[in-house]
Amino acid sequence: DVKVTQSSRYLVKRTGEKVFLECVQDMDHENMFWYRQDPGLGLRLIYFSYDVKMKEKGDIPEGYSVSREKKERFSLILESASTNQTSMYLCASRPRELGDQPQHFGDGTRLSIL
Amino acid sequence: RKEVEQDPGPFNVPEGATVAFNCTYSNSASQSFFWYRQDCRKEPKLLMSVYSSGNEDGRFTAQLNRASQYISLLIRDSKLSDSATYLCGNTGGFKTIFGAGTRLFVKA
Repeated sequence: DVKVTQSSRYLVKRTGEKVFLECVQDMDHENMFWYRQDPGLGLRLIYFSYDVKMKEKGDIPEGYSVSREKKERFSLILESASTNQTSMYLCASRPRELGDQPQHFGDGTRLSIL
Repeated sequence: RKEVEQDPGPFNVPEGATVAFNCTYSNSASQSFFWYRQDCRKEPKLLMSVYSSGNEDGRFTAQLNRASQYISLLIRDSKLSDSATYLCGNTGGFKTIFGAGTRLFVKA
């Protein structure tokens, strides 16, 4: 089974702090993704990466950056946290092959910015 | 228009009922399609992929209509444990685009 592990289930930070969310997958997947999920808005893609050191902006990249130094690890960084970044953050991975390969999600990080 | 649209529900059905969800998508180049189940405060988990010819997994049936650009999920003989949010997703290239989900409540 694919295992996607996020470093924290719950996190509370203060406005202006730099926040790191870590994600590790154990299936040698090339593609990794960061989403946030808010009520009524569904899953929104923040950034994704299709290889080590490669990154692409998703639909809502403002206020975020990412790092992919190793294949198994994809980090999301909130450079200066703001209250509107309070959300559920979900990491996902899938193999490179196009076609019917679904994404597998980590169990999420509930982030509160005070 | 959103890329993927779902009726948010909620759908309230009694145990044993048959319930159907639809999901429309706008990207005609989409290559693969999925249904995920998400329980409250949990992550989405893959329920089933959707194949062109339609596919079935126990009480669940998924269908794809490329001409009309929608996928459907049919749940037969609903159980209390089917209560969840159901997300559809479609992939074109690297990205999967998800709908906002349809909430299902199955009542005793």
